Amino acid sequence: DTAVSQTPKYLVTQMGNDKSIKCEQNLGHDTMYWYKQDSKKFLKIMFSYNNKELIINETVPNRFSPKSPDKAHLNLHINSLELGDSAVYFCASSQGRRGYNEQFFGPGTRLTVL
Amino acid sequence: DQQVKQNSPSLSVQEGRISILNCDYTNSMFDYFLWYKKYPAEGPTFLISISSIKDKNEDGRFTVFLNKSAKHLSLHIVPSQPGDSAVYFCAAVSGGSNYKLTFGKGTLLTVNP
Repeated sequence: DTAVSQTPKYLVTQMGNDKSIKCEQNLGHDTMYWYKQDSKKFLKIMFSYNNKELIINETVPNRFSPKSPDKAHLNLHINSLELGDSAVYFCASSQGRRGYNEQFFGPGTRLTVL
Repeated sequence: DQQVKQNSPSLSVQEGRISILNCDYTNSMFDYFLWYKKYPAEGPTFLISISSIKDKNEDGRFTVFLNKSAKHLSLHIVPSQPGDSAVYFCAAVSGGSNYKLTFGKGTLLTVNP
């Protein structure tokens, strides 16, 4: 059983489109995250939800909107995609909201904007 | 502004020898450090961590050393195995930054048979 799953694994789309990435965890964790790994390989946090409450919201364009319908799901919707949004997006979860707690990552979604 | 730096993009070692991966940080508020390992086409997985009140933590073949005065930590893998070939990310946590993880760019370790 996959602990943290993301769909789709690959996403190729045109500039200006709107797309969503879905994430689900079956670990019973109360905190979920979205990270972006850009071309320079930095892994940077974008958002974090604890019990469906937004607790971390980094300096991310408001074209990015996370949605957490329940503790097991955290989706990422991106409006008006731009070339610079091309990256690998990782979802993660942990029990507890502190970075001290081990985070479990999904396999990533490679987004390519043409 | 890179608060966590891994200055070696890659490292190659022979099987059975020691691998030493280095990490430097600039934020003195960091109080907890973690290493994550990442295989291609997979997400990172937690490897080992250390609190700032300690200077060493060991787990099997993996040992992390922390030198707070130098703002430097290192991950030692002994003996190195081909299956250890992966990208290793150093990460740091500060309570003052809402406990978020700040990652370095990673070091690609290749262990040659």
